[in-house]
Amino acid sequence: RKEVEQDPGPFNVPEGATVAFNCTYSNSASQSFFWYRQDCRKEPKLLMSVYSSGNEDGRFTAQLNRASQYISLLIRDSKLSDSATYLCVVNQAGTALIFGKGTTLSVSS
Amino acid sequence: DADVTQTPRNRITKTGKRIMLECSQTKGHDRMYWYRQDPGLGLQLIYYSFDVKDINKGEISDGYSVSRQAQAKFSLSLESAIPNQTALYFCATSDQGLSEQFFGPGTRLTVL
Repeated sequence: RKEVEQDPGPFNVPEGATVAFNCTYSNSASQSFFWYRQDCRKEPKLLMSVYSSGNEDGRFTAQLNRASQYISLLIRDSKLSDSATYLCVVNQAGTALIFGKGTTLSVSS
Repeated sequence: DADVTQTPRNRITKTGKRIMLECSQTKGHDRMYWYRQDPGLGLQLIYYSFDVKDINKGEISDGYSVSRQAQAKFSLSLESAIPNQTALYFCATSDQGLSEQFFGPGTRLTVL
């Protein structure tokens, strides 16, 4: 079983749609969680950290369920500029970040 | 100026050649990492270093070596490049603890 698993997509949605990405992680010792965004052939960049209480940043909402080892990202009112690959990332103490393979989103007009 | 820089940005080389990719950071972070990315495979960790005297293998270290010359510099070497090392290589840094990583712009390496 992969340590971090994501549905690769692609998710093809129209502008204005709401889309949700899910991610599961296998190591219950994981302690911090992130969503990164990666544009084609560019470096990954932090989109948002994920907290147990859930957190929101504008149109983006991230949720963490430690009991189910599940992380989600919700994007509301999708924009063309949201088209990218979204990487689910977990961190355990004393190691490097572990990246999922990413979920590709394509938003069309 | 970028906080994490990588040189070269693009490199084409031949099988059997020795290649060094360099990474420098101005963020003052102790931790540095090298990843490679292949289409459909996501980011794979090659090596990481938590401070100048610390080097750790990642999941795909075979065929690679690293050197942490200073807190700000971490280089990746391919002693004898082979075609399946053709990939996009990223350097990243992080502060101590469980914080996010900051990535360089990547080096696109092609081995013919």
